[in-house]
Amino acid sequence: ETGVTQSPTHLIKTRGQQVTLRCSSQSGHNTVSWYQQALGQGPQFIFQYYREEENGRGNFPPRFSGLQFPNYSSELNVNALELDDSALYLCASSVLAGGETQYFGPGTRLLVL
Amino acid sequence: GQQLNQSPQSMFIQEGEDVSMNCTSSSIFNTWLWYKQDPGEGPVLLIALYKAGELTSNGRLTAQFGITRKDSFLNISASIPSDVGIYFCAGQETSYDKVIFGPGTSLSVIP
Repeated sequence: ETGVTQSPTHLIKTRGQQVTLRCSSQSGHNTVSWYQQALGQGPQFIFQYYREEENGRGNFPPRFSGLQFPNYSSELNVNALELDDSALYLCASSVLAGGETQYFGPGTRLLVL
Repeated sequence: GQQLNQSPQSMFIQEGEDVSMNCTSSSIFNTWLWYKQDPGEGPVLLIALYKAGELTSNGRLTAQFGITRKDSFLNISASIPSDVGIYFCAGQETSYDKVIFGPGTSLSVIP
């Protein structure tokens, strides 16, 4: 059984660019949640996808968007990057939408210059 | 909006000592979760709590769901070097609601 994987591990972009981050769910998991973790802070919920549909969203602007594919892998897209978007982006997969069953990936470290 | 506070912000303790940390919320939670995050990794769930007053253990870790449903506590007994990391509390208003994380408590263990 493979765990949650994310790619790339690190990324450097400049302001105004667009970025796509990828997440492969743990085998058998149909729910993916994305979080933003700024340095020295706890993860902040961005949104969740359940069976390819958005199933809840945190306080993030529409330039943060996502997709979930039939194999339950997922993408996080961020348009018009801002300096404050620099953070660790974590995805977590779970069998159900409940928080206690979610398993986190190692994250993608994004730096916006 | 919902907000979690954790204290202390950081701790430096001697190996073998016991550790206590807590988490308070501005709103009532239905589920309390405690995670540990090591450098370069995602958070790992340590303990999940579902009922007010519940006390749950996982090895040397014990966590409690406060009776007001607005707080939770985590204790680590006989700390060891591998306990080093950042401990996050997290909560959910309902079982399928978004998970809200606290800012974390950084734990350092001096051998």
